[in-house]
Amino acid sequence: AQSVAQPEDQVNVAEGNPLTVKCTYSVSGNPYLFWYVQYPNRGLQFLLKYITGDNLVKGSYGFEAEFNKSQTSFHLKKPSALVSDSALYFCAVIHDNYGQNFVFGPGTRLSVLP
Amino acid sequence: DGGITQSPKYLFRKEGQNVTLSCEQNLNHDAMYWYRQDPGQGLRLIYYSQIVNDFQKGDIAEGYSVSREKKESFPLTVTSAQKNPTAFYLCASSSSINQPQHFGDGTRLSIL
Repeated sequence: AQSVAQPEDQVNVAEGNPLTVKCTYSVSGNPYLFWYVQYPNRGLQFLLKYITGDNLVKGSYGFEAEFNKSQTSFHLKKPSALVSDSALYFCAVIHDNYGQNFVFGPGTRLSVLP
Repeated sequence: DGGITQSPKYLFRKEGQNVTLSCEQNLNHDAMYWYRQDPGQGLRLIYYSQIVNDFQKGDIAEGYSVSREKKESFPLTVTSAQKNPTAFYLCASSSSINQPQHFGDGTRLSIL
């Protein structure tokens, strides 16, 4: 069965500092990995995805994520955090066996402090 | 602009009542999904549909029903059998099952 873990409920970082939001996954087969962001009372917005190819994936709003197959991780990163990055972040996984559905992690709340 | 529209934004249900949440998309996507979001639990899949006139149960389908008569529309009915319906409901669509999902802005359902 597929599963996703986001080990931190909350991440606090000062504005201008680098940020990391962690995600680990478990799938049988090759994973497709995604990050989404959710602002209060809104739906999820897609940030970036890893399907195949380069392990470092660049996405929207300056975010990037690094796929590490040996550690089964897909951590979200940004070199310099903005206060406006404060939101709820979800990691999601689906494996390459067509017919399965996304599994979302429980979410990590990011607070960027001015 | 293309997107997903969910209505209403807020909905109140009386005991024993069925209510229907609307979800419409103009992205020409084949796949559509309904999720329930509770605080601290992330998203849980209720139902999904990969094509018109076909849909499958997700992880928490009990007490819910759906239809997919048109490609653009995937309404969700919360029946009286769902004893704890208070939650934030999100509809999503994707061009195929392994592509990013596009989400609506949700419907918040509460019990009167």
